[in-house]
Amino acid sequence: KAGVTQTPRYLIKTRGQQVTLSCSPISGHRSVSWYQQTPGQGLQFLFEYFSETQRNKGNFPGRFSGRQFSNSRSEMNVSTLELGDSALYLCASSLTSGNDDTQYFGPGTRLTVL
Amino acid sequence: EDQVTQSPEALRLQEGESSSLNCSYTVSGLRGLFWYRQDPGKGPEFLFTLYSAGEEKEKERLKATLTKKESFLHITAPKPEDSATYLCAVRAAYSGAGSYQLTFGKGTKLSVIP
Repeated sequence: KAGVTQTPRYLIKTRGQQVTLSCSPISGHRSVSWYQQTPGQGLQFLFEYFSETQRNKGNFPGRFSGRQFSNSRSEMNVSTLELGDSALYLCASSLTSGNDDTQYFGPGTRLTVL
Repeated sequence: EDQVTQSPEALRLQEGESSSLNCSYTVSGLRGLFWYRQDPGKGPEFLFTLYSAGEEKEKERLKATLTKKESFLHITAPKPEDSATYLCAVRAAYSGAGSYQLTFGKGTKLSVIP
């Protein structure tokens, strides 16, 4: 079974621009979560989607948004980029069925804001 | 607020020198404690899930244990390929109905020297 895929893998943007990151979950997984990873803060929860609905949101400004499509693929958007948004953005998918609640992570998108 | 603290931040071991990594947590109602391994430039790779105090799980040279306040990842006779950052995460009962949000520690960077 193919794992979680994320595109693009690397991205360089300048302050003030916006960016869209994409995530395709493992086939059959309906829940997608997004995390931001930085050296100082570690992994921090951004938001979670299930069946096209945002089920939970972390403590991030409104510049961070996301959505999920009917095929469970998800996108996250960051508007008005700031230098501090430079990070590894990780997507994770879960089966959300029965007792299997393991989150499986993709390789991440490395975003650099100049 | 959920808190996860991992220690030590970094650990250097000689090949074959067994040791343990610690994960202390504070959470209102634990719905799962997760261990992941992360290699540089990659997403976290799932290792174990533990649900209740006293539970233990093993995989090759790794063994994870859980008490009501902490979890240990024991590494027996490590090899250089075990070098990675090991992450601990908890899922809280109040995350919301069906929510799969994880709260992560900052990780322990393990280096195994040949």
